[in-house]
Amino acid sequence: SYVLTQPPSVSVAPGKTARITCGGNNIGSKSVHWYQQKPGQAPVLVIYYDSDRPSGIPERFSGSNSGNTATLTISRVEAGDEADYYCQVWDSSSDHPVFGTGTKVTVL
Amino acid sequence: EVQLVESGGGVVRPGGSLRLSCAASGFTFDDYGMSWVRQAPGKGLEWVSGINWNGGSTGYADSVKGRFTISRDNAKNSLYLQMNSLRAEDTALYHCARRSGYHEDYMDVWGKGTTVTVSS
Repeated sequence: SYVLTQPPSVSVAPGKTARITCGGNNIGSKSVHWYQQKPGQAPVLVIYYDSDRPSGIPERFSGSNSGNTATLTISRVEAGDEADYYCQVWDSSSDHPVFGTGTKVTVL
Repeated sequence: EVQLVESGGGVVRPGGSLRLSCAASGFTFDDYGMSWVRQAPGKGLEWVSGINWNGGSTGYADSVKGRFTISRDNAKNSLYLQMNSLRAEDTALYHCARRSGYHEDYMDVWGKGTTVTVSS
């Protein structure tokens, strides 16, 4: 099945920019969705269809997707952005969703 | 308020069965497909099963195929997951989630989850 690879962790200082990558074979041809999960809470959709933001998600969250890598960018990082982040695509060969391995974002 | 609330989790011995339920409110339930997603302790998200709006199409992860059955009752705004022949590796927090989108769906509403522990 389709494999999505994320870095286990990303550290960033407050006010700086965090970039979280999601690697997959020709992922640029797929739609990528991103979820934020804080400890003890349910996941929250933060980006869908590569770069669209649901209502209520700050403009600081943005996404891009090209080639073999999709990227979630968090600008002007705040302490409240500390969480696990997962990418997700739809695997056409198995006809079901696939999640990335997850990235823990730590705000220094 | 759009909400999903899971129930039915618990402790069960290997080989046992459980039935999870997910109660939906605040939206037109039968307009949406639904999914079950689980998270083992300290691990990432794993899609388990999905169902379309009327129950006519279902899908399962290879890890649960043949043991789990997803179903829904639109009259009761409820989603279910019947889990049989449970194994230790099925121990996880099980979330239900609403599927949205016009293709390559995403999950835009999630419940807080119900915990399943398989242990002797």
